[in-house]
Amino acid sequence: QQQVKQSPQSLIVQKGGISIINCAYENTAFDYFPWYQQFPGKGPALLIAIRPDVSEKKEGRFTISFNKSAKQFSLHIMDSQPGDSATYFCATPPPGSARQLTFGSGTQLTVLP
Amino acid sequence: EADIYQTPRYLVIGTGKKITLECSQTMGHDKMYWYQQDPGMELHLIHYSYGVNSTEKGDLSSESTVSRIRTEHFPLTLESARPSHTSQYLCASSELGGAGEQFFGPGTRLTVL
Repeated sequence: QQQVKQSPQSLIVQKGGISIINCAYENTAFDYFPWYQQFPGKGPALLIAIRPDVSEKKEGRFTISFNKSAKQFSLHIMDSQPGDSATYFCATPPPGSARQLTFGSGTQLTVLP
Repeated sequence: EADIYQTPRYLVIGTGKKITLECSQTMGHDKMYWYQQDPGMELHLIHYSYGVNSTEKGDLSSESTVSRIRTEHFPLTLESARPSHTSQYLCASSELGGAGEQFFGPGTRLTVL
């Protein structure tokens, strides 16, 4: 079974700071690495995803950095805002199947005002 | 906003009752999923389906069952609810090809007394 190791489990950042969440995977059947954002009482929603023909993808304040040789990818949130406070999940397809995702254990981000 | 719906949003029932959690999507997605999640914690895949009359068990063993008689509908049933079933249940759907974006419903918060 695919292992996706996500860290840290929780993160507290001051408003305006940089939030960094990391994920490491063992193997994958498909080059697709998404990050999901979940607010309390809601289902997760896709935040940003990368297909690693590039090493970095940026959308507004959110950036994915991908290191294929190290089998790691990370989410960077620049100028973190209190509205970014949520749980973040990385995900990747497991080996042997490109048709579903294995999610990381989640990171609870709190951005202090 | 994703067109995937779950009812009820909250359910409090007594031990031994049979319950069905409803999930419907209007996006025409072939793939549907059920996840179990304690608030803010890891997502555990309990069932998935690749289309009508297709159902598979996920990574986490569950006493629940599912059916897929129509593309848009993927209900989850517990024949005899127990306190250990208390959790949040999230339904999701995605297109058939590859490991693309999963769209999540708002979830059902189940409490078994």
